[in-house]
Amino acid sequence: DTEVTQTPKHLVMGMTNKKSLKCEQHMGHRAMYWYKQKAKKPPELMFVYSYEKLSINESVPSRFSPECPNSSLLNLHLHALQPEDSALYLCASSQGSEAFFGQGTRLTVV
Amino acid sequence: SQQGEEDPQALSIQEGENATMNCSYKTSINNLQWYRQNSGRGLVHLILIRSNEREKHSGRLRVTLDTSKKSSSLLITASRAADTASYFCAVVNDYKLSFGAGTTVTVRA
Repeated sequence: DTEVTQTPKHLVMGMTNKKSLKCEQHMGHRAMYWYKQKAKKPPELMFVYSYEKLSINESVPSRFSPECPNSSLLNLHLHALQPEDSALYLCASSQGSEAFFGQGTRLTVV
Repeated sequence: SQQGEEDPQALSIQEGENATMNCSYKTSINNLQWYRQNSGRGLVHLILIRSNEREKHSGRLRVTLDTSKKSSSLLITASRAADTASYFCAVVNDYKLSFGAGTTVTVRA
């Protein structure tokens, strides 16, 4: 199984809502990533988890809160987002070389 | 910050022609990777070249790496309509995978 599964595929949320994005992989990868991608731009790294511990936070605002409950799961909790946070959110996992990406969650903040 | 920068930003070619895109980066790397993205969905890994390698082939793909110039190129030979996508280089330093600006390739039938 070389899949990274992200749910939901699409999400529309209001600025006062709390929602979560989920990511799952069963490849035993030790590193998991969250990226944000705006239209016609490259993915921007947000967070890196290594062995279930947060190892990199690219100065992401606190309204984004990552969580790694176990080695297969990665969540991104969203609270009080702004319309400019609307983007494609991509999860990826890696064992140190190539990264495997999920299909992303298309988030719209209204 | 983005460490890989690419050119051209966009490329339009006829089916059967070759497509070449370039990537430059700023810092030392463990390896450099190329990814493809269709229609703003997930990225697919194409090829990885390690810092001690100079050239690598995979099917219709050829990647070169020049660490002295901090640059890499991706060549797609005999392009097909299905190659229409955005292509990104990505540099790896420890666990940090950072993407370049990308090249959008359109292959005309």
